[in-house]
Order: sequence, then C-alpha cells, then structure tokens
Amino acid sequence: QLVESGGGLVQPGGSLRISCAASGFTFSFYEMKWVRQAPGKGLEWASYISSSGSSMYYVDSVKGRFTISRDNAKNSLYLQMNSLRAEDTAVYYCARIRSGAARPGKYYYYMDVWGKGTTVTVSS
Amino acid sequence: SYVLTQPPSVSVAPGQTARITCGGNNIGSKSVHWYQQKPGQAPVLVVYDDSDRPSGIPERFSGSNSGNTATLTISRVEAGDEADYYCQVWDSSRDHVVFGGGTKLTVV
Repeated sequence: QLVESGGGLVQPGGSLRISCAASGFTFSFYEMKWVRQAPGKGLEWASYISSSGSSMYYVDSVKGRFTISRDNAKNSLYLQMNSLRAEDTAVYYCARIRSGAARPGKYYYYMDVWGKGTTVTVSS
Repeated sequence: SYVLTQPPSVSVAPGQTARITCGGNNIGSKSVHWYQQKPGQAPVLVVYDDSDRPSGIPERFSGSNSGNTATLTISRVEAGDEADYYCQVWDSSRDHVVFGGGTKLTVV
C-alpha cells in the first residue's frame, strides 16, 4: 500500500514537500516513481528514483526545480518541489515500478501499485 | 520521442465487447501495459506485458500487441467498467515512460 500526503495550496514561486508512505512490501527492493495528472488531463511521469536512491531522473519540465528522495529505513518516498508554477497543479501519485526482460529483446517497465494521490494546487 | 495514440472515446452497450487501441511505431516490439482509472480514483493496472493480468483483474480484460497497434479488449462489458484507460510503454531511446493520451470508455 502507498499513501501520499503533504499536498495543498501554494503560491506561484513557492515550495512544497510531498511524501509517500509504503507498507506491505519491502520498500527498499523497488524503484519508485512520481506520476502526476493535471486537472482533466492524462498521466505524466514526473520523477524516478532507484531502489537505493543513487539514481534520480526528472521530466524536462521539472528539472532543476523538483528533487526526489527516499528513506528506506522509514519506508518513505519524497518529492521536494520548489519554484512552483501554475502548470504544476496536479494530483501527484507515487507508484511502485516493476521492470525487467520477460522475453529476449522485450523489456517491460510498468507501475503495479499506486497511491490514492495528493493534490497540489499552485495559485495566487 | 515515442508517441502513443489512443482514440479519445469508445462507446459500447452492456454485455458487448469493447476494444481500445493504442497505436505506436512498431509497438509490437515493445511491452505494453494498460491502466484503468475511474473518476476521482488512482490508476489501476489491468494488463501488463501485452497480455498478462494482475491478480484480481477479471478474465474479461485481455490484451494483444502486434505491428503498430496494441489492443485492450474488455468482454461482456459492465457498467462498472466505465473509466479512462491508458496504455503505456517504455521508450528505450529516451529511457523514460510514455503514456497514451487515454480513452474514455462509456457504457451506453
């Protein structure tokens, strides 16, 4: 199970840190992702972190402003969001990643467990 | 970057079969995954690796993938299947996830 928290209303240019608490599985074994969904729009991956926390990736639109991190001892995932913009307004979901090669030449990568999401609204 | 194209909407009568397509260049060479999202809820994985179902997903949900089109098939559609459905692949050229734009399934 994944449970997000920390969303809210923030002014443009402000900061917010959202969290995701994991339970029911060995959190430290899994890569994790933040996926966001703007109002009335589709799904967009925002950030990725490896199981150890040593590798992080971001969608271009948030690079330099968002920082993903994790604390495996606390079974928790975080997203620090700075310099927030109106276009960052979205529901933010944390999701567990499954990846590998089921068949030669065919690599799979999907999200099998999702939290219920936390809403971030950037507005003055 | 890799683009996935889904029809914006599909309508089907209860008890009939719904087919939702996901188009992409040589998508048959990729592993395709499908998510169901009901209004106000988080996405749920319904098919992974083209045609496998997670535990708890009814057998009515199936997938196929060949050539330039992947398809999610929902047999014996029920009112509770009304939702948005998203396909997703891994774009190896950019090392990131790609989602289709989503298809709204309406049970009429």
